[in-house]
Amino acid sequence: AQKVTQAQTEISVVEKEDVTLDCVYETRDTTYYLFWYKQPPSGELVFLIRRNSFDEQNEISGRYSWNFQKSTSSFNFTITASQVVDSAVYFCALSSIGGSTLGRLYFGRGTQLTVWP
Amino acid sequence: KAGVTQTPRYLIKTRGQQVTLSCSPISGHRSVSWYQQTPGQGLQFLFEYFSETQRNKGNFPGRFSGRQFSNSRSEMNVSTLELGDSALYLCASSLDVGGARETQYFGPGTRLLVL
Repeated sequence: AQKVTQAQTEISVVEKEDVTLDCVYETRDTTYYLFWYKQPPSGELVFLIRRNSFDEQNEISGRYSWNFQKSTSSFNFTITASQVVDSAVYFCALSSIGGSTLGRLYFGRGTQLTVWP
Repeated sequence: KAGVTQTPRYLIKTRGQQVTLSCSPISGHRSVSWYQQTPGQGLQFLFEYFSETQRNKGNFPGRFSGRQFSNSRSEMNVSTLELGDSALYLCASSLDVGGARETQYFGPGTRLLVL
């Protein structure tokens, strides 16, 4: 079964602090995708990144970086020098590449990030 | 390129009524998926459509149904509404190249309140 756990329900930081959002996943598949989405108060899920299970290279995009570690089944997300506009709910998700659950996204419960000025 | 659009954005219904939600995917995207988001259950997969066929279905009762049209636009219908159906319903579209599922891009959602 596919499962995504985001243990941090809420995180509050002050602007310019660095913050890491944790994501741990479970799957028996050898090939899968991992995602991060951002959900601002408007409700729309905004795609941030997709990672293939074969690609363990860390990724950096501006103030955002992602650390994928297959050995610990984790796909953590770090925001450097956080800004008030980063305040949102962040979701980690898992998708299989094969089988009956192909293409279906399994989401964690999300982490509410609040950045105070 | 325009994103995924959903209509209506807000809806209020009473128990026992039925509702139809609409989703227009990103141009060129042929796969449409639906998700329900509630505070209690989080984000849950409803179903996925491709080429007017349902390809995948989540664990929801038969009151939840959907369809896809030849232009890839999709609708979902909930009959005999219950209070617990109050939720944000999100639609997502993706390319489907040779069967490989691509990234799902989401619309703004429809907020349904059942009284």
